[in-house]
Amino acid sequence: DAKTTQPPSMDCAEGRAANLPCNHSTISGNEYVYWYRQIHSQGPQYIIHGLKNNETNEMASLIITEDRKSSTLILPHATLRDTAVYYCIVDNAGNNRKLIWGLGTSLAVNP
Amino acid sequence: GAVVSQHPSRVICKSGTSVKIECRSLDFQATTMFWYRQFPKQSLMLMATSNEGSKATYEQGVEKDKFLINHASLTLSTLTVTSAHPEDSSFYICSATPLVVGETQYFGPGTRLLVL
Repeated sequence: DAKTTQPPSMDCAEGRAANLPCNHSTISGNEYVYWYRQIHSQGPQYIIHGLKNNETNEMASLIITEDRKSSTLILPHATLRDTAVYYCIVDNAGNNRKLIWGLGTSLAVNP
Repeated sequence: GAVVSQHPSRVICKSGTSVKIECRSLDFQATTMFWYRQFPKQSLMLMATSNEGSKATYEQGVEKDKFLINHASLTLSTLTVTSAHPEDSSFYICSATPLVVGETQYFGPGTRLLVL
């Protein structure tokens, strides 16, 4: 599995967009980019995933660069409840796969 | 949406006792469930991969005789920590993948184990 690099921490003002970057320069052609988040003392929560096109759902948008070597997760209007550790993982889509977890980005949304 | 539950959410036990943690997929069938362990301020570490009807596959360094995994049905996997010691105190998290290929993993809320 490709390795990802994320900044260890970020701050964001409540109501503003939070843009979380992720580098995955060794990603291979069949690997998807997944984003999860983990609120303190809870299990991880799936946010979004994509292969090469930008994706949007009710939680966030995912922007993947054309060369697929990096991506950005966008929370359009961050709230205090979005304070969490955000993990970017690259992985083959499908069952029976192991996710390799880094340390993620600890996002603090401030009032 | 896909929901995974864990029971219990918190457990305190004495050193030397065994603790069983259940992981259930509530609204989907899961061919594969994963068990993770997370120590404070660290990331998730995969312990084992559990496939319904077959033996679990353990990650390097995880003792299979200490962490017993049973995946008896497509909706239930159990992790038993045998002869627990204080160093086994951790946050245990399970995840499940639906039968549909390409689906993501869905995670349980976690079980906080404290061994005294």
